[in-house]
Amino acid sequence: DAGITQSPRHKVTETGTPVTLRCHQTENHRYMYWYRQDPGHGLRLIHYSYGVKDTDKGEVSDGYSVSRSKTEDFLLTLESATSSQTSVYFCAIREGQGKDTQYFGPGTRLTVL
Amino acid sequence: GDSVTQMEGPVTLSEEAFLTINCTYTATGYPSLFWYVQYPGEGLQLLLKATKADDKGSNKGFEATYRKETTSFHLEKGSVQVSDSAVYFCALSVPPGGGADGLTFGKGTHLIIQP
Repeated sequence: DAGITQSPRHKVTETGTPVTLRCHQTENHRYMYWYRQDPGHGLRLIHYSYGVKDTDKGEVSDGYSVSRSKTEDFLLTLESATSSQTSVYFCAIREGQGKDTQYFGPGTRLTVL
Repeated sequence: GDSVTQMEGPVTLSEEAFLTINCTYTATGYPSLFWYVQYPGEGLQLLLKATKADDKGSNKGFEATYRKETTSFHLEKGSVQVSDSAVYFCALSVPPGGGADGLTFGKGTHLIIQP
């Protein structure tokens, strides 16, 4: 158990509304990641963070923004949700330099109507 | 860019059968390789990993060997159980300086074990 929680676990929203998903970790790991999981695509990286206020884009970052104001929290925001963003979102952590294994949270299922 | 290819399935086997799930990859440098498992309604759990050529990762009866010459990391188990029914993901990590951080995943293989 890597001490990762995600909230909410389920959310239904409407097209055009803003949505923020939260990832919280209890072990002060430096690296955090957001992925989305879709059938036929596996998991794809949205954004990642390598420290407080240090973030970068992944493969599918369009339409998403992130923030990390403290070590334990990594927020993913959909500024104006679209139906194509209906997905399951996973947060992950990596322990640090020289350690390449990522550990995943339980996921958030987001439905955009 | 980096990529991982694996059979998507579903793969249906009888209990106690031998399992192989193929995984091949394309990557620059020398990535680390992983197998993750996702049980229904849950997140991903690390099953095993290997960090260099000829390394063998093993866990819970599953094994995979890092084959650099064939760029493969096939998952095997000698005798599967109903409880092994899940989705299995092969993944690689980019070496430092090799590009964006993060894992590159295959599309996942849905495994169904029948009693």
